[in-house]
Amino acid sequence: GQNIDQPTEMTATEGAIVQINCTYQTSGFNGLFWYQQHAGEAPTFLSYNVLDGLEEKGRFSSFLSRSKGYSYLLLKELQMKDSASYLCAVRDTEAAGNKLTFGGGTRVLVKP
Amino acid sequence: DAGVIQSPRHEVTEMGQEVTLRCKPISGHNSLFWYRQTMMRGLELLIYFNNNVPIDDSGMPEDRFSAKMPNASFSTLKIQPSEPRDSAVYFCASSSARAGLAVYEQYFGPGTRLTVT
Repeated sequence: GQNIDQPTEMTATEGAIVQINCTYQTSGFNGLFWYQQHAGEAPTFLSYNVLDGLEEKGRFSSFLSRSKGYSYLLLKELQMKDSASYLCAVRDTEAAGNKLTFGGGTRVLVKP
Repeated sequence: DAGVIQSPRHEVTEMGQEVTLRCKPISGHNSLFWYRQTMMRGLELLIYFNNNVPIDDSGMPEDRFSAKMPNASFSTLKIQPSEPRDSAVYFCASSSARAGLAVYEQYFGPGTRLTVT
């Protein structure tokens, strides 16, 4: 089975940095994804990690440690438009195709 | 690229009625996923198809739910009969099926907000 945990909610100030942690216990692992979802909209792809280490993409970075079953998404220079839910998702084994299991999501509120 | 297309965007129906949700995946994608999202349970995978064949339907809640993919460009999710607890946002997503080290992220449609009264 799959178990993915992330905090429910976080609050941060505009211009600051926020780190969203995700821990997972899964029967198979073939990559970890982060998605952003604004209220009333569909999830959109942010980042992907399959090897240990940090992937940087502009203001957003994602880190993975497979041995620890741990990932984080780092949002820098926060902007008001970053207020959204952030979903951690684990892709199952290659044999299972491209199936993703999502965590419950972390709602980030950016305050002025 | 039009992205994943879903219809209707909103559906309000009475308990006991049949509901059919529709999805057109991105052209060239050969995996299609149906999800349900609620505040209580988050984003849950209901069923997914590879090359029009259902691969895993273990997330389908009960026999009232059924899904079909008659060709590469169309899929339906049907609920019959519908119940108030089926009220949720239903998302369709598509991607390429090949895994390995490639990203092949899932692209989500805008969703159908279903309300069963």
